[in-house]
Amino acid sequence: EAGVAQSPRYKIIEKRQSVAFWCNPISGHATLYWYQQILGQGPKLLIQFQNNGVVDDSQLPKDRFSAERLKGVDSTLKIQPAKLEDSAVYLCASRGPGAFTGELFFGEGSRLTVL
Amino acid sequence: DAKTTQPPSMDCAEGRAANLPCNHSTISGNEYVYWYRQIHSQGPQYIIHGLKNNETNEMASLIITEDRKSSTLILPHATLRDTAVYYCIVAWVRFGAGTRLTVKP
Repeated sequence: EAGVAQSPRYKIIEKRQSVAFWCNPISGHATLYWYQQILGQGPKLLIQFQNNGVVDDSQLPKDRFSAERLKGVDSTLKIQPAKLEDSAVYLCASRGPGAFTGELFFGEGSRLTVL
Repeated sequence: DAKTTQPPSMDCAEGRAANLPCNHSTISGNEYVYWYRQIHSQGPQYIIHGLKNNETNEMASLIITEDRKSSTLILPHATLRDTAVYYCIVAWVRFGAGTRLTVKP
């Protein structure tokens, strides 16, 4: 079974530039999550999708971050414009069926450095 | 707004059992307790989960207190490869800072 795919693995940009990260979840997984993990901290949930609908985006900084999952499969997370504090690893995870159970499967992450 | 409390770090001797505690005193009746671990530069990896009863799989055992306000993850025979940050989460998907476990030779 193929895992969660993310790209790019690494990205370096200047502040005020834009960046986009892509995630392809495990086939058949309806639920998709984006997390931000700053060095030394646990992952912070940014947004949760159920199919192509947003379930929770309460911690997404909507003035600069956006995410979409148009066809209910792969997803894109965009940052525009980037700030220095956005330097982090952006993790994508997916979960299979089951309302209250089901482990999260994580990708390897996309490491962003903002200079 | 993590709903769990874990010690920031722990050490364990190789071959001994590692017991990682987690406090989740505000857990709701239908919330599961999940444990994940994260080895440096990788995404978190699922270990085990439970609701009320103790659980065991090939990786670990999970002991949940009767009042469900705390739990303990047990790695029965820790190896150097078990050195990682271990996260206990409830409310499905919100992670805290975790416990950095160092297994020493």
